[in-house]
Amino acid sequence: GAVVSQHPSRVICKSGTSVKIECRSLDFQATTMFWYRQFPKQSLMLMATSNEGSKATYEQGVEKDKFLINHASLTLSTLTVTSAHPEDSSFYICSAREKGRKSYNEQFFGPGTRLTVL
Amino acid sequence: AQSVTQLGSHVSVSEGALVLLRCNYSSSVPPYLFWYVQYPNQGLQLLLKYTSAATLVKGINGFEAEFKKSETSFHLTKPSAHMSDAAEYFCAVFLDNFNKFYFGSGTKLNVKP
Repeated sequence: GAVVSQHPSRVICKSGTSVKIECRSLDFQATTMFWYRQFPKQSLMLMATSNEGSKATYEQGVEKDKFLINHASLTLSTLTVTSAHPEDSSFYICSAREKGRKSYNEQFFGPGTRLTVL
Repeated sequence: AQSVTQLGSHVSVSEGALVLLRCNYSSSVPPYLFWYVQYPNQGLQLLLKYTSAATLVKGINGFEAEFKKSETSFHLTKPSAHMSDAAEYFCAVFLDNFNKFYFGSGTKLNVKP
């Protein structure tokens, strides 16, 4: 139980294009989803928190117009990297908090998406 | 400021040997502490967590960690390594007042036959 999937697992795109990454909770409803990014040899850093049906809350320094997050249903959140540039190349990981769980620290993590922008 | 430091980005042990992965944190408030494991092409899986109960926490797969407030440490140990333990391990702090995780940069564990 409590499986989170991400699609695609890897994506390569040209500079200036937009890329959409999906995060799905497969066997539970997720009221809150989180998006992280990880640069090589660095920590996972929280980018934004999204609650189903609400606008995402972005961490300081994360451009909301650059990283569009949609959480339209209890099982799906999407992250769109708009006008991607090479510096956006990173490993993007989502996590989900199950509906009814009290604490935000009870998160289930997806396998990540490797984005490479040429 | 909150931070998590994992000493050693790569650790190599022989099968059957003790595993010790180090984690130190800094936090302005009492933290919740976690260890996650990530196998290739999979999501982070919770190994164990400290939530202010017993300072010695037992997790899955024979791992345990001890919270030492005086040393601000939460090192992960396993008495005898198995080949299947080869993975990347992340230490993390969760702070209720920020509602977010702060992760270490990870330690890749290699187990030699």
